Amino acid sequence: EAQVTQNPRYLITVTGKKLTVTCSQNMNHEYMSWYRQDPGLGLRQIYYSMNVEVTDKGDVPEGYKVSRKEKRNFPLILESPSPNQTSLYFCASRSVGENYGYTFGSGTRLTVV
Amino acid sequence: AQSVTQLDSQVPVFEEAPVELRCNYSSSVSVYLFWYVQYPNQGLQLLLKYLSGSTLVKGINGFEAEFNKSQTSFHLRKPSVHISDTAEYFCAVAFYNQGGKLIFGQGTELSVKP
Repeated sequence: EAQVTQNPRYLITVTGKKLTVTCSQNMNHEYMSWYRQDPGLGLRQIYYSMNVEVTDKGDVPEGYKVSRKEKRNFPLILESPSPNQTSLYFCASRSVGENYGYTFGSGTRLTVV
Repeated sequence: AQSVTQLDSQVPVFEEAPVELRCNYSSSVSVYLFWYVQYPNQGLQLLLKYLSGSTLVKGINGFEAEFNKSQTSFHLRKPSVHISDTAEYFCAVAFYNQGGKLIFGQGTELSVKP
């Protein structure tokens, strides 16, 4: 089944403790991105990647890092999480051509205390 | 800068009534248009999308949307809603000139009452 897999689904952590949210897709998509969802703000793009070793900032990149060493994986790294990064996070990959569209992971609900 | 605006943050409606959720975007370039639904404590599910062709797009669960290029709008409609349609709905637009970056509206909470 074509899918984007995020882990973990839920995470509670403490301020300053480094964490990584993993994202993997099995559709051989070149484009992947990360979003955060906050009430009243919709989803905002954090980082995106056009292909392996090609990443760029989205609209709210502060406090986040990403890497794209392999096509299928696009982890989101919070080196020193803060409470304002408490949010719901979604990873997505994109298909192009006639079937243009985005496939989203199930989401990761992160709480930073 | 390109933006997407959902004009209503909350829409209460009675069961079996029609509903329209409004979405406008600001852009002079070509776009792809999407509507997603998010049920409580769940992820995003694609309702429908417009890539090209007929401006009236039909999606899942009886929803449809119409692309109006001159108005830069992509409103979502359903002629008769059910309690199970209670959810948050997001309009999203991919802008050609930003590498297809997908920008979301703020979301509309649809609340269907019996």
